[in-house]
Amino acid sequence: DTEVTQTPKHLVMGMTNKKSLKCEQHMGHRAMYWYKQKAKKPPELMFVYSYEKLSINESVPSRFSPECPNSSLLNLHLHALQPEDSALYLCASSQLDLTGISGNTIYFGEGSWLTVV
Amino acid sequence: AQSVTQPDIHITVSEGASLELRCNYSYGATPYLFWYVQSPGQGLQLLLKYFSGDTLVQGIKGFEAEFKRSQSSFNLRKPSVHWSDAAEYFCAVSGAGKSTFGDGTTLTVKP
Repeated sequence: DTEVTQTPKHLVMGMTNKKSLKCEQHMGHRAMYWYKQKAKKPPELMFVYSYEKLSINESVPSRFSPECPNSSLLNLHLHALQPEDSALYLCASSQLDLTGISGNTIYFGEGSWLTVV
Repeated sequence: AQSVTQPDIHITVSEGASLELRCNYSYGATPYLFWYVQSPGQGLQLLLKYFSGDTLVQGIKGFEAEFKRSQSSFNLRKPSVHWSDAAEYFCAVSGAGKSTFGDGTTLTVKP
């Protein structure tokens, strides 16, 4: 099973709303990622969790708040977003080698399309 | 720092013709290299990957890629393109816990 599952597939939210994106994988991967992708652009890394701990935060605004409740789940909490935050949000996972550095295959979910109105 | 360059923003080929998408990378150590495809409205799908060993890598959907260390390239090829191959293609290099993507190449397939 090489699947990363993301919910919801589509989300429309107002600028004062609080919502969450969810991601789940059952491949035993210990690294999980959030990427943001605008139309016709490559994915941009937002956060990396290694062994359920936040290891990389690419200077993402605090209105995005990641959470890793356990090794299979990854959430992205959204609050007070701006229209320019509308994008495809991709979750991904990969194995980690013994050094904790991942050069392994990253498996992506289908993404959550977010529209901020 | 790692980086990826895909020199061709847009490529158009006729159905049945051969295809080559270019990818050049910069990385200080042995690279882990990937090609992903993204159809409109979809997520990213892994086509193939290179970690080590044989420099010609076979992937899904009839794609292959060749790693050339001397040219820092990892070009994607397909001998005969199908209309369903029309999509965005991303090359990526991975290391030190991060993946870096190229800007992508849009493939259009003419009937």
